[in-house]
Amino acid sequence: DAGVTQSPTHLIKTRGQQVTLRCSPKSGHDTVSWYQQALGQGPQFIFQYYEEEERQRGNFPDRFSGHQFPNYSSELNVNALLLGDSALYLCASSPLAGVTDTQYFGPGTRLTVL
Amino acid sequence: AQTVTQSQPEMSVQEAETVTLSCTYDTSESDYYLFWYKQPPSRQMILVIRQEAYKQQNATENRFSVNFQKAAKSFSLKISDSQLGDAAMYFCAYRLSGSEKLVFGKGMKLTVNP
Repeated sequence: DAGVTQSPTHLIKTRGQQVTLRCSPKSGHDTVSWYQQALGQGPQFIFQYYEEEERQRGNFPDRFSGHQFPNYSSELNVNALLLGDSALYLCASSPLAGVTDTQYFGPGTRLTVL
Repeated sequence: AQTVTQSQPEMSVQEAETVTLSCTYDTSESDYYLFWYKQPPSRQMILVIRQEAYKQQNATENRFSVNFQKAAKSFSLKISDSQLGDAAMYFCAYRLSGSEKLVFGKGMKLTVNP
């Protein structure tokens, strides 16, 4: 049973560029959430996708956008990168209608903005 | 605003001993879920234990148990018979019922000494 997978593992970009991160949810899960974890901090909720729609959004600017595909996989896009966007980006999946309703995390993508 | 506080940034424990990690949270709601996640150097956030606020019985998962004090808004994690593999960052998290957003504390680094 494959868990949550994310790609790429690491990414280096320069200020002003755009980046796309990818996530495949755990088998049987249809909901994907994205979190940003700055160094030495706990993860911060960016947004969640279900049925290809953004269901809930955290306190992040419009430069952060996402998409969910019919196979439930998801992308996180960040435009006009800032140095402060350097962080570990975590994807989590959950079975929205599931009994436990717990989010299971992927290994993350480490984004460095120079 | 919902907040989660982990007041101890670091702790250490001897192998085979017991350690307790503290967490307090702030909410005016009555229906919510509490979680402890573990993040080893591999970066993947792993669910350790989950507690529903409406349940009076404290959750237990093998060597891990919680002390949930709803009135005091306290949710501590006890690790018994500590093992070297328990060394990691531990994050306490909170989620309102009906919300998709996990709110994390800043984390606590646990070192296990042989």
